[in-house]
Amino acid sequence: KAGVTQTPRYLIKTRGQQVTLSCSPISGHRSVSWYQQTPGQGLQFLFEYFSETQRNKGNFPGRFSGRQFSNSRSEMNVSTLELGDSALYLCASSWAQGGSYNEQFFGPGTRLTVL
Amino acid sequence: DQQVKQNSPSLSVQEGRISILNCDYTNSMFDYFLWYKKYPAEGPTFLISISSIKDKNEDGRFTVFLNKSAKHLSLHIVPSQPGDSAVYFCAASDSGAGSYQLTFGKGTKLSVIP
Repeated sequence: KAGVTQTPRYLIKTRGQQVTLSCSPISGHRSVSWYQQTPGQGLQFLFEYFSETQRNKGNFPGRFSGRQFSNSRSEMNVSTLELGDSALYLCASSWAQGGSYNEQFFGPGTRLTVL
Repeated sequence: DQQVKQNSPSLSVQEGRISILNCDYTNSMFDYFLWYKKYPAEGPTFLISISSIKDKNEDGRFTVFLNKSAKHLSLHIVPSQPGDSAVYFCAASDSGAGSYQLTFGKGTKLSVIP
């Protein structure tokens, strides 16, 4: 089974621009979560999608948004980029339908650099 | 407000010895805990998990212990191998929240010395 894939792997943007990152979950997984990793803050939860619906959102400004398609693929968008948005953006997928089973499988991430 | 804390940023251990990585949490709603291992330029890889109904879970060289009253968990690696050198993240989840959000600690960098 193919793992979680993320595109692009690396991205360089300038302040004020917007960016869209893509994530393809493991086949059969319906939950996709996004995390931001920075050296100072570690991994922070951005949002989670399940069956095209956003189920939870972390403490990030409205410039960060996402969506999920019917095939479970997900995109996240960051508008009006700031220098502080430079980070590794990780996508994770899970197959669990509910209950306590909560193992998530991570992709390799997209390294975003904002200049 | 950090709900999951890994107080040791780094740990060095001799090959063959035991590595013990610690994690504390403050949110009593957390009922599922996971450990992930991360190499540079890669995403985190799931290692082992434990539900709050257990106090120990073992998988090969990896054992996770949970002390609910102390809100503390630890990951034991025995014996440690040079390939175990990586950053280890502790994560916690509230399964009753209707979401698969994981709250992570900031990680402990483990170096296993040959």
